[in-house]
Amino acid sequence: QKEVEQDPGPLSVPEGAIVSLNCTYSNSAFQYFMWYRQYSRKGPELLMYTYSSGNKEDGRFTAQVDKSSKYISLFIRDSQPSDSATYLCAQASGGSYIPTFGRGTSLIVHP
Amino acid sequence: EPEVTQTPSHQVTQMGQEVILRCVPISNHLYFYWYRQILGQKVEFLVSFYNNEISEKSEIFDDQFSVERPDGSNFTLKIRSTKLEDSAMYFCASRGTVTTNEKLFFGSGTQLSVL
Repeated sequence: QKEVEQDPGPLSVPEGAIVSLNCTYSNSAFQYFMWYRQYSRKGPELLMYTYSSGNKEDGRFTAQVDKSSKYISLFIRDSQPSDSATYLCAQASGGSYIPTFGRGTSLIVHP
Repeated sequence: EPEVTQTPSHQVTQMGQEVILRCVPISNHLYFYWYRQILGQKVEFLVSFYNNEISEKSEIFDDQFSVERPDGSNFTLKIRSTKLEDSAMYFCASRGTVTTNEKLFFGSGTQLSVL
């Protein structure tokens, strides 16, 4: 089974808020975890990826993986209106790198 | 930054007709993919292509679908006899240099409408 599950939202926050986006997965064999961002009428764009449990930080974004609970999170600090998009979590095997996507969570950051 | 280019951006066709969706992957990339997204649903994997052959495909990619890299720069998806349920956004993606091995670059998609 290759399911990745996300709450579709929408999640609406004020500018400057800390955003927490969450995702669960079922296939423990897939060891590569990703977050993509998708703007309206555009293809997904890779934000972050990680192989390991724990945190990975890149600017305002932090990805967190908890393999014991099969839980993936993305935190966005100091959120901006330009962060308004759909955020897709995904996982893949380390060999093929073919993402299996969640449904995505729609984020709206209002000024 | 280099990008994956897809044409057309919107294609309308009658049920039963053949369609070809076109993609120009990033130059020097080695792995090519097609995904689709039905309105309101997940982005779903269709097929991956490497070294001029299909390397992996999903259950969705049945005999009605085919892919081709006809000239070393284009990558096409053909649907032989379209059905209403083929209406979706189709995304092409590519990856594959030493420094960006894990990262798939997606195009902006072709919206296919089957009437």
